[in-house]
Amino acid sequence: ETGVTQSPTHLIKTRGQQVTLRCSSQSGHNTVSWYQQALGQGPQFIFQYYREEENGRGNFPPRFSGLQFPNYSSELNVNALELDDSALYLCASSPQGRGVSYNEQFFGPGTRLTVL
Amino acid sequence: DAKTTQPTSMDCAEGRAANLPCNHSTISGNEYVYWYRQIHSQGPQYIIHGLKNNETNEMASLIITEDRKSSTLILPHATLRDTAVYYCIVRVANTGNQFYFGTGTSLTVIP
Repeated sequence: ETGVTQSPTHLIKTRGQQVTLRCSSQSGHNTVSWYQQALGQGPQFIFQYYREEENGRGNFPPRFSGLQFPNYSSELNVNALELDDSALYLCASSPQGRGVSYNEQFFGPGTRLTVL
Repeated sequence: DAKTTQPTSMDCAEGRAANLPCNHSTISGNEYVYWYRQIHSQGPQYIIHGLKNNETNEMASLIITEDRKSSTLILPHATLRDTAVYYCIVRVANTGNQFYFGTGTSLTVIP
């Protein structure tokens, strides 16, 4: 069983650029969540995708967008990068989506984004 | 919106039990308590979860008070590899399985 993988591991961009981060969910998982973790802080929920549709969003501006593909892998896109977007971006997958009272999330290793 | 309060940091001697408290006084009846830990900027790792009853697995025990307003994660025999940031999370009802993390407790296991 393959765990959650993310690419790239590290990324350096300049302010105003756009970035795409990728996540492959664990086998059999149809739900993917994305989190932003600034240095010294806990992960902050960005949004979640369930069967290719957005299933909840945290307090992030529209320049943060995402996609989920038929194989349940996912992308996080950030436009017009700002210095404060520098963070560890975490992807987590889980086996079920709506209407489930309990669900463990399996996290990937993250992508470290630095915006200069 | 984090619904939990945890101490910022704790120390524990190697081989002793580590008891990590968490306050979740506004928890609702159908909301689970989860514990995750994060070692040096790796992805968070699931430890344990519970609703009302105490739970135990190969990693830890979770003690939830009868009123469910607080809980304690117990690592029975802490090792140096247990040094990490531990997050207590209450999953908000009606939001699928989205987690709202707080700032966690930084546990240092001392030789």
